[in-house]
Amino acid sequence: AQSVSQHNHHVILSEAASLELGCNYSYGGTVNLFWYVQYPGQHLQLLLKYFSGDPLVKGIKGFEAEFIKSKFSFNLRKPSVQWSDTAEYFCAVRYNNNDMRFGAGTRLTVKP
Amino acid sequence: EAGVAQSPRYKIIEKRQSVAFWCNPISGHATLYWYQQILGQGPKLLIQFQNNGVVDDSQLPKDRFSAERLKGVDSTLKIQPAKLEDSAVYLCASPFAGINTGELFFGEGSRLTVL
Repeated sequence: AQSVSQHNHHVILSEAASLELGCNYSYGGTVNLFWYVQYPGQHLQLLLKYFSGDPLVKGIKGFEAEFIKSKFSFNLRKPSVQWSDTAEYFCAVRYNNNDMRFGAGTRLTVKP
Repeated sequence: EAGVAQSPRYKIIEKRQSVAFWCNPISGHATLYWYQQILGQGPKLLIQFQNNGVVDDSQLPKDRFSAERLKGVDSTLKIQPAKLEDSAVYLCASPFAGINTGELFFGEGSRLTVL
């Protein structure tokens, strides 16, 4: 079965620290890759996406992610986090049949 | 912003009772998803519709859950009878109107508490 794995359940950082959240997915041919964010009390919002081309994609609020096809990975990064980045982050993969699968999520807490 | 409407926002029921959730997706788009998000977990796909037909319902507990999208527009998800483990947020999602790239817009969700 197609699946998405996020390595970190809860990450705690101080402001200005660098962030990297891991995401791996099971093989399923051509995929589209996404990171969604859910701020406290809000609905899921798209952070960034990868469809094709440059494997390093940039999203909103200074986030970026790198697609490494050989590793089936799509890790999320940010050089310097802010307190306002405190949220839950979900990696998602769209497989050929429009099946969208989400990872379990990583809760990020940024201490001021 | 997202244009996906869901109701009710909150529902509290006792186990073995029934509940129904409604979703009206972004206008004009054929694909609609229902997800279940249990506290502390990622959204889990329950069912995917294309127009009024089911594309994938492999993770829908069919002994108690049902969903329909009769006219290919709005959709209803029903749980009967509910169990304690059904406590979750039920999310409806729709791709960006006219473009099926997998980028989803989510509704606010319907939070179910089963006592």
